[in-house]
Amino acid sequence: GEDVEQSLFLSVREGDSSVINCTYTDSSSTYLYWYKQEPGAGLQLLTYIFSNMDMKQDQRLTVLLNKKDKHLSLRIADTQTGDSAIYFCAETLSSNTGKLIFGQGTTLQVKP
Amino acid sequence: GAVVSQHPSWVICKSGTSVKIECRSLDFQATTMFWYRQFPKQSLMLMATSNEGSKATYEQGVEKDKFLINHASLTLSTLTVTSAHPEDSSFYICSASGQNNSPLHFGNGTRLTVT
Repeated sequence: GEDVEQSLFLSVREGDSSVINCTYTDSSSTYLYWYKQEPGAGLQLLTYIFSNMDMKQDQRLTVLLNKKDKHLSLRIADTQTGDSAIYFCAETLSSNTGKLIFGQGTTLQVKP
Repeated sequence: GAVVSQHPSWVICKSGTSVKIECRSLDFQATTMFWYRQFPKQSLMLMATSNEGSKATYEQGVEKDKFLINHASLTLSTLTVTSAHPEDSSFYICSASGQNNSPLHFGNGTRLTVT
């Protein structure tokens, strides 16, 4: 079945780059997402990438997709303390369904 | 700004009572909305798909008589937790998408505590 895996924790210093990794198992994934969740809050869509793309950049965020290895990464440049949160990777198999398969979430800790 | 609004943001209720949670799409019409549940320090699990004008589709293991979903308009879906028990305490989050091929936006979630 579908499965999405993430490392659970990442700690970086303010100003450094953060790279959060995600692997997925289903090769028929069409969309892959990154969401951010701050304590006690809902999910904020950060960015997403179509499965026919290799890279997408949006300001400080860069998403890389390696379809061969089924590996997705999110790079945050110049990480700030406000970036501290849980980051969820998710995939969907169809553009018309909300059945996102979520990873366990990566807690990003940014030290001043 | 927020495109999906969820209300209330938190609620405490007594065991045996029912609680209604609302999910609204603010600047788009959503024929389909989705309800997720998140336990502490865990990921989100899809509970059901809410379809405007028809019955909701529930995921395996989710009791449809306990979690009543109503999608009466193109901008509003409600989730009612009936006869709530302490094990229903959780974080409930809704999401919606305006069109095919557009990403899902999530509400801010509702923290339910059943005492």
